[in-house]
Amino acid sequence: GENVEQHPSTLSVQEGDSAVIKCTYSDSASNYFPWYKQELGKRPQLIIDIRSNVGEKKDQRIAVTLNKTAKHFSLHITETQPEDSAVYFCAAFFTGGGNKLTFGTGTQLKVEL
Amino acid sequence: DVKVTQSSRYLVKRTGEKVFLECVQDMDHENMFWYRQDPGLGLRLIYFSYDVKMKEKGDIPEGYSVSREKKERFSLILESASTNQTSMYLCASSLHRGTGPRGYTFGSGTRLTVV
Repeated sequence: GENVEQHPSTLSVQEGDSAVIKCTYSDSASNYFPWYKQELGKRPQLIIDIRSNVGEKKDQRIAVTLNKTAKHFSLHITETQPEDSAVYFCAAFFTGGGNKLTFGTGTQLKVEL
Repeated sequence: DVKVTQSSRYLVKRTGEKVFLECVQDMDHENMFWYRQDPGLGLRLIYFSYDVKMKEKGDIPEGYSVSREKKERFSLILESASTNQTSMYLCASSLHRGTGPRGYTFGSGTRLTVV
């Protein structure tokens, strides 16, 4: 089945700096890659996603890049703010694996003042 | 605005008890999922369902079963709860299959403690 690895497990940055979280996936047939943000005590919520026919997608301070050849994708957060502090999960979906997402193990991001 | 509802936020059960976790969605989604979330292990899929009365095993189905009698409701059952099933349980739903999920939405979670 699909396997998704996520790094780092924890990330601490100063407010205003950039943060990058990286994920790799195992199945080259994967075609959809969402990112979820989970604040403390709350449900995971979709923040951005990318499909395999696109190399990069941006939404204000958040961007996701996809390298299909290397089978990895990354989340980039610029100008980090304290409210960006949360756990971030990457996920991968491939059509041959049923209609389900496989998640990474999560990254605890802490933005320090 | 809550669209995926889990019946309990916190549960404490005794070892050996039969436990039911309920999830209801109001978005008419075909697909529903149960994940458990543990520190350092991320979100691991227990069971999922494409349609009423259909179920598929996920990555960690042992010790669990599910029931989907109606499209909007997906129940997770722990036949005989054990302490290693203490965890946060998250329900999710999504729209039909095809080129990928649409609207993969999570519930708020049920934190289950088995003593």
